[in-house]
Amino acid sequence: AQSVAQPEDQVNVAEGNPLTVKCTYSVSGNPYLFWYVQYPNRGLQFLLKYITGDNLVKGSYGFEAEFNKSQTSFHLKKPSALVSDSALYFCAVRASGGYQKVTFGIGTKLQVIP
Amino acid sequence: GAVVSQHPSWVICKSGTSVKIECRSLDFQATTMFWYRQFPKQSLMLMATSNEGSKATYEQGVEKDKFLINHASLTLSTLTVTSAHPEDSSFYICSVRWQLSTDTQYFGPGTRLTVL
Repeated sequence: AQSVAQPEDQVNVAEGNPLTVKCTYSVSGNPYLFWYVQYPNRGLQFLLKYITGDNLVKGSYGFEAEFNKSQTSFHLKKPSALVSDSALYFCAVRASGGYQKVTFGIGTKLQVIP
Repeated sequence: GAVVSQHPSWVICKSGTSVKIECRSLDFQATTMFWYRQFPKQSLMLMATSNEGSKATYEQGVEKDKFLINHASLTLSTLTVTSAHPEDSSFYICSVRWQLSTDTQYFGPGTRLTVL
């Protein structure tokens, strides 16, 4: 069975500092990996995905994520955090090919401190 | 990214009544729509997957007679919570997958249901 682990319930970072939100996964075969962001009482917004190709994926709002196959990780990063980045971040994984079910992590709350 | 709308954004109802939530894919035709439920401070729980023109596939533990899903067209799916009870209070989110790009799901803004 596939799974996603987001080991940190909450990440605090000062505005202007780099941020990292961690994600590790388990899936059979090649993974499709995703990051979504959720603001209070809103649905999930797609940030970025890794399907194939370059391990470093760039997404919306200056976010990027690095796929590391050997460590089965897909950490989300941003060079300089903004207060407006404060939200709940979900990592997700599915197996490649066809119509595969997506599994979400439990989410990490990012708090950017002014 | 794709635009997905949900209506209503929030609803309060009395116990025993039924509530219908609509999910629309505004940008493209969605062959598959998903319904999720999210509890406070928890991840998304997939309730069911619906394909246009066919019966929805429910996840284990989800009562199909209580959570009726209709996927009438490639742009509209509805979730009806029948005979709602306070324990059905939750945040319901729909998601769509594009007909021609099946690797990514796009989410609606969610519907907050409160059953009194």
